[in-house]
Amino acid sequence: ETGVTQSPTHLIKTRGQQVTLRCSSQSGHNTVSWYQQALGQGPQFIFQYYREEENGRGNFPPRFSGLQFPNYSSELNVNALELDDSALYLCASSYDPTSPGNTIYFGEGSWLTVV
Amino acid sequence: AQSVSQHNHHVILSEAASLELGCNYSYGGTVNLFWYVQYPGQHLQLLLKYFSGDPLVKGIKGFEAEFIKSKFSFNLRKPSVQWSDTAEYFCAVKNTGGFKTIFGAGTRLFVKA
Repeated sequence: ETGVTQSPTHLIKTRGQQVTLRCSSQSGHNTVSWYQQALGQGPQFIFQYYREEENGRGNFPPRFSGLQFPNYSSELNVNALELDDSALYLCASSYDPTSPGNTIYFGEGSWLTVV
Repeated sequence: AQSVSQHNHHVILSEAASLELGCNYSYGGTVNLFWYVQYPGQHLQLLLKYFSGDPLVKGIKGFEAEFIKSKFSFNLRKPSVQWSDTAEYFCAVKNTGGFKTIFGAGTRLFVKA
């Protein structure tokens, strides 16, 4: 049990719709990163938030956006959903992302199916 | 750009067999290295990690990994696998001082009882 919680666990959306996924970080952690894991692949880095600011982004289009709140919880928003957005979305939290000892801890993920 | 390569996508072993999963990364600087495991129906869990010091790292459940800097490798080993080790294993790398952890595509291990 990592203390990272995500909601919802499963959802189905229609192409073109928008979705919001939520994450509560582990106690004491101020950094949240989001990953997309398609079937048969490893997690792909979407972006990271550190103290409410986005401080890193992977190769995802601008329709993937996020927020981090003062309590360090976070949201991932995806607009104009496409079929290829169907995947497991993972949230991971950590403390001080640039410290040598930094390790990320994952939640159980949100399964998104776009039809 | 950083990348992680896991050589085997699927591995099938019998119980008590020895395991070695290959992992190579591309990055010229100082790195932190990780192995994560995902058991069926469960979330990604940290198995072990390397930051500095002894290149032979021991993790949970009898797993160990060796960092060989000259080969840019961080292979995972276990002398004798059990049926309960059936899972998907991911190697990951993060450059020291960087902000993101990069994952390999994963290796699915199936252990026959």
